[in-house]
Amino acid sequence: QPVLTQPPSVSAASGQKVTIPCSGSSSNIGDNYVSWYQQLPGKVPKLLIYDNDKRPSGIPDRFSGSKSGTSATLGITGLQTGDEGDYYCGTWDPSLSALVFGGGTKLTVL
Amino acid sequence: QLQLQESGPGLVKPSETLSLTCTVSGGSISNTNYFWAWIRQPPGKGLEWIGNIYYRGSTYSSPSLKTRISMSVDTSKNQFSLKLTSMTAADTAMYYCASLFYEHISAWPPIRYYFDYWGQGTLVAVSS
Repeated sequence: QPVLTQPPSVSAASGQKVTIPCSGSSSNIGDNYVSWYQQLPGKVPKLLIYDNDKRPSGIPDRFSGSKSGTSATLGITGLQTGDEGDYYCGTWDPSLSALVFGGGTKLTVL
Repeated sequence: QLQLQESGPGLVKPSETLSLTCTVSGGSISNTNYFWAWIRQPPGKGLEWIGNIYYRGSTYSSPSLKTRISMSVDTSKNQFSLKLTSMTAADTAMYYCASLFYEHISAWPPIRYYFDYWGQGTLVAVSS
């Protein structure tokens, strides 16, 4: 059972906005930075968001991240079919002495 | 820009030891802002952190795999390696190496870390 909780799937229409939540605890998300990873079908995971809300060079501003308390959220606007894939949140959990990921959320663009 | 490439066997027998190596290019494995990590993903499942190693040799491992893992680094070859003992079918997965950016800052939270570059992955099957 993953330490961070994500919904198994989300869906939204092309051009619309979707949010993907990631729920944790005070020891992990509450006291640490969150990063997000995009894994398109058959591809390698790619860093999408780091330090809760920063985008690496080359990541469009359609992708955004936020954190509040023990939860983090990934937002994607202007959805495109090319955004379909799995999205994972990750952080450090000092109570487990482990880097932890959420179980992943499969995004479907209708 | 860092590039990472895994190498190792695609098939391991049950009870044997898996040995994987990751070659880093485009930067030095001795960069003080990086740990070097292993992550795996069973078919159709999510990501699981295995462990990471610093260029000086200090390691951090997943509590669930700690007793079966050993990691090493070869700075002369810009490579780091993973050994996972007592392999079973449950260890069948895509194994990725990745760079883990790491920085202590004078703010809260005080530690920044994220996996910024990933290898292409190597699929390891456990079967007799």
